[in-house]
Amino acid sequence: AQSVTQPDIHITVSEGASLELRCNYSYGATPYLFWYVQSPGQGLQLLLKYFSGDTLVQGIKGFEAEFKRSQSSFNLRKPSVHWSDAAEYFCAVGARGGADGLTFGKGTHLIIQP
Amino acid sequence: IAGITQAPTSQILAAGRRMTLRCTQDMRHNAMYWYRQDLGLGLRLIHYSNTAGTTGKGEVPDGYSVSRANTDDFPLTLASAVPSQTSVYFCASSDRFLDEQFFGPGTRLTVL
Repeated sequence: AQSVTQPDIHITVSEGASLELRCNYSYGATPYLFWYVQSPGQGLQLLLKYFSGDTLVQGIKGFEAEFKRSQSSFNLRKPSVHWSDAAEYFCAVGARGGADGLTFGKGTHLIIQP
Repeated sequence: IAGITQAPTSQILAAGRRMTLRCTQDMRHNAMYWYRQDLGLGLRLIHYSNTAGTTGKGEVPDGYSVSRANTDDFPLTLASAVPSQTSVYFCASSDRFLDEQFFGPGTRLTVL
């Protein structure tokens, strides 16, 4: 079965600074990979996804992520964060052709300092 | 506005009672899912449905049941609620299984 690790429970970044949120997955083949964001009291919104092709994926709100097969990673990046980016971020993995649904990481809480 | 609706928004329930959480989508998506979200544990899949008439078990199915009589509705039932089922429950849907999932606003359930 697949698994996802988000090593950082909390990350604090100054507004305007760059951001990288880490995600490592475990799966025997090439997985489907997703990043979701959850604002307080809200549901989850998809930021970006990787299915195949170009390993650098562009998403909404200026986010991007890079799939690195050799490192089993799918880290999320943003060159300059805004105060509105403060939220919970979840990485998720799905098995190609499988019937196990998505497996989510435990999330990283992003705090933006003024 | 197209999307997913969940009801109720929140509920306090006595242990042992039966409860059904409702989920309706108007996007004509084939697949639907139920997750629970607990602090420090992220989201865990309870049950899913690839298409109307079929359902499957996720990571934490015990104590929950689902049905998928039509494309739009995917209710989640707790037959006899226990305090460990206190959680926030999210319903989601996707056009195809494992495609981008769209999430509802969630139901906050407290079992006392």
